[in-house]
Amino acid sequence: AQSVAQPEDQVNVAEGNPLTVKCTYSVSGNPYLFWYVQYPNRGLQFLLKYITGDNLVKGSYGFEAEFNKSQTSFHLKKPSALVSDSALYFCAVRDMGTYKYIFGTGTRLKVLA
Amino acid sequence: EAQVTQNPRYLITVTGKKLTVTCSQNMNHEYMSWYRQDPGLGLRQIYYSMNVEVTDKGDVPEGYKVSRKEKRNFPLILESPSPNQTSLYFCASSSGTGGNQPQHFGDGTRLSIL
Repeated sequence: AQSVAQPEDQVNVAEGNPLTVKCTYSVSGNPYLFWYVQYPNRGLQFLLKYITGDNLVKGSYGFEAEFNKSQTSFHLKKPSALVSDSALYFCAVRDMGTYKYIFGTGTRLKVLA
Repeated sequence: EAQVTQNPRYLITVTGKKLTVTCSQNMNHEYMSWYRQDPGLGLRQIYYSMNVEVTDKGDVPEGYKVSRKEKRNFPLILESPSPNQTSLYFCASSSGTGGNQPQHFGDGTRLSIL
């Protein structure tokens, strides 16, 4: 069965430091992978996606993610965190057999001033 | 402005009283979907639709119904709501059905079933 794991419920990082939010997946076939961000009382907003091609994907607000096929991971990164990056982050994978989407449980990122 | 609009944003109701949450998108998207968000469980897909008159179950479809009579609308129906359906609900849409386009989400509907 397809699945997505976000092993950390919360990640704390100091402003200006690099951040990483982890995601691992289990799918059959080639994965379509996405990162979304959720701010309080809002819907999810798309950050970036991996469909094919370069393993390093660049997205909105300075975020990037590295696709690693051998480790089945798609970690979200940013070189220098901002307090305004504090939010809930979701990793998702598209099930290519059924057209469903599977989301992780979310990671709350807290950037401390 | 491109958007997904859900109504109502908040609803408190009682067990067994039928309710409908509406969802409308103005982007001519083929794919639409409903999710529920619960603490510790993330987002779970309830139903999705590939196009008009084409719907299918997600991972948690029990107790819910949907219909897709027009491309822009995808209402979620709870015919006999129960307290375990208390949750935050999101509608989303994306272009095409190939899965390589991101989803656009509404701002959510917070449902409380007493």
